[in-house]
Amino acid sequence: DAGVTQSPTHLIKTRGQQVTLRCSPKSGHDTVSWYQQALGQGPQFIFQYYEEEERQRGNFPDRFSGHQFPNYSSELNVNALLLGDSALYLCASSLVGGPLHFGNGTRLTVT
Amino acid sequence: EDKVVQSPLSLVVHEGDTVTLNCSYEVTNFRSLLWYKQEKKAPTFLFMLTSSGIEKKSGRLSSILDKKELFSILNITATQTGDSAIYLCAVRIQGAQKLVFGQGTRLTINP
Repeated sequence: DAGVTQSPTHLIKTRGQQVTLRCSPKSGHDTVSWYQQALGQGPQFIFQYYEEEERQRGNFPDRFSGHQFPNYSSELNVNALLLGDSALYLCASSLVGGPLHFGNGTRLTVT
Repeated sequence: EDKVVQSPLSLVVHEGDTVTLNCSYEVTNFRSLLWYKQEKKAPTFLFMLTSSGIEKKSGRLSSILDKKELFSILNITATQTGDSAIYLCAVRIQGAQKLVFGQGTRLTINP
């Protein structure tokens, strides 16, 4: 039973560029959430997708956008990258009301 | 603003010691509190607590929630070097899937 899988594992981008991160949820899960974890901090909620719609959003600018596909997989897009976007991006999947199961994350470095 | 505070932020003990990690919260419409262990990348789920006074136990780990005083503790007995990790506390709000995380406690177990 595959858990949450994310790709790529590492990514280096330049300021101003755009990036797309991908996530496949744990088998049977229909809800996908994205979190940003800066060094030494707890994860911060970006947004959540259910039934291919964004259901909830945290305090992140519109440069952060996402998508959920019919097979429940999801993408996180970040435009006009800033140095401050450097972080570990975690994807989590769940069933409604259940605990979140996290992937190993994508380490994004913006130079 | 919803807030979760963990203490201590860092803790170093010797193998075999017992540790207690603290998590306090100030949120609107509390639903549940979750504990995660983060060793390298993916936070792994430990416990989900919804009711006060009921201890959850898994091996040497246990946790309890006090909804009146708005805190939870995570106990680890007979610590081992493999317990070294960051322990994250998170709260889920009623009607929302998002988790609000604390900053984490970095636990180091020395042999």
